[in-house]
Amino acid sequence: NAGVTQTPKFQVLKTGQSMTLQCAQDMNHNSMYWYRQDPGMGLRLIYYSASEGTTDKGEVPNGYNVSRLNKREFSLRLESAAPSQTSVYFCASSMNSVSEQFFGPGTRLTVL
Amino acid sequence: QKEVEQNSGPLSVPEGAIASLNCTYSDRGSQSFFWYRQYSGKSPELIMSIYSNGDKEDGRFTAQLNKASQYVSLLIRDSQPSDSATYLCAVRTGANNLFFGTGTRLTVIP
Repeated sequence: NAGVTQTPKFQVLKTGQSMTLQCAQDMNHNSMYWYRQDPGMGLRLIYYSASEGTTDKGEVPNGYNVSRLNKREFSLRLESAAPSQTSVYFCASSMNSVSEQFFGPGTRLTVL
Repeated sequence: QKEVEQNSGPLSVPEGAIASLNCTYSDRGSQSFFWYRQYSGKSPELIMSIYSNGDKEDGRFTAQLNKASQYVSLLIRDSQPSDSATYLCAVRTGANNLFFGTGTRLTVIP
């Protein structure tokens, strides 16, 4: 089992460009999450999907959109990247909305 | 006030000693508590979860929870250089509401 996988590992964008971060899990988990991690700020929840077909905003959703493509896949889209979105992005999954979360390897994004 | 507070460290302990990491939280209704380890440049890795007051032991790790004091801690016995990492405390206040502290950086000195 690969667990939670994310692509790409690294990305550099120019201000205004768009991109989609991909996440997939093979643990048959129902819930999936997108976090960003910034120095001194800790992990902050961007969006989550409690189950297939549902998505909800987290603590810092502005500038992002998500799609729960199926039970395995949950993507995060930046429509018009800004330097403030430079961060490390982690996808996580859990069996349900109250169980332990397991993290993917992360995507390091730089917006110039 | 932050939901979850941790001392950022760095905390330095000699090899073989006990490392004690602490975390306080603000929401009295918090239900579940987790400790993650994060090596530099890597993703968080779950090492302990605790749900009720008292101690929970797993190998060299012991998690302690005191809901009355809104305090959760992690003890690492016989600390090894490979334990050098940042330790994140996470607290669940409701479904899908998992809040993370900013982490404590631990260095184990050989």
